[in-house]
Amino acid sequence: DSGVTQTPKHLITATGQRVTLRCSPRSGDLSVYWYQQSLDQGLQFLIQYYNGEERAKGNILERFSAQQFPDLHSELNLSSLELGDSALYFCASSVATQYGYTFGSGTRLTVV
Amino acid sequence: ILNVEQSPQSLHVQEGDSTNFTCSFPSSNFYALHWYRWETAKSPEALFVMTLNGDEKKKGRISATLNTKEGYSYLYIKGSQPEDSATYLCAFSRDNDMRFGAGTRLTVKP
Repeated sequence: DSGVTQTPKHLITATGQRVTLRCSPRSGDLSVYWYQQSLDQGLQFLIQYYNGEERAKGNILERFSAQQFPDLHSELNLSSLELGDSALYFCASSVATQYGYTFGSGTRLTVV
Repeated sequence: ILNVEQSPQSLHVQEGDSTNFTCSFPSSNFYALHWYRWETAKSPEALFVMTLNGDEKKKGRISATLNTKEGYSYLYIKGSQPEDSATYLCAFSRDNDMRFGAGTRLTVKP
């Protein structure tokens, strides 16, 4: 157990639907990062939150949004889902970027 | 733009072989270089964080070196074992941003 908890582990949904992925960071970590890993692709950075505020944005689609709550857990909302959104979504947390990240076990999203 | 390049993309070696891979990154405004080990069906696991030019880190049979002036890092595995089979990711952090390379997929055949 890395200390970063992601739920659910697996999610199957239909095109056009909306889903919410949840992440609880490791105790003491203020930063939460979301990454997407599609088939045969590397880790694509989506978005970062630090202590409730958006800190950095990567290749995140407009159909996707995220937030970090006062208890520091974060949610990634994916809407109007398309087949191409099927991927493994990782959350990671850190004290500070230069110390590296601790990854959760990921949520595998399948859009059918 | 934080471009992190890793080579080779994949590598197949025999058990007992030693191997190494390369990570190239922008040399300006360097903060840290990270190596992660990512096994299939698991999440990436941190191996090393290196911050100083000339840094060398070692964990068992795995070691890494860092050259921040020319923007590269090497990861070495001595006497590869089947359990070393994984994707090895490097990530470069600068300011408040960290970007990952695409990884080197290592397969060690018994």
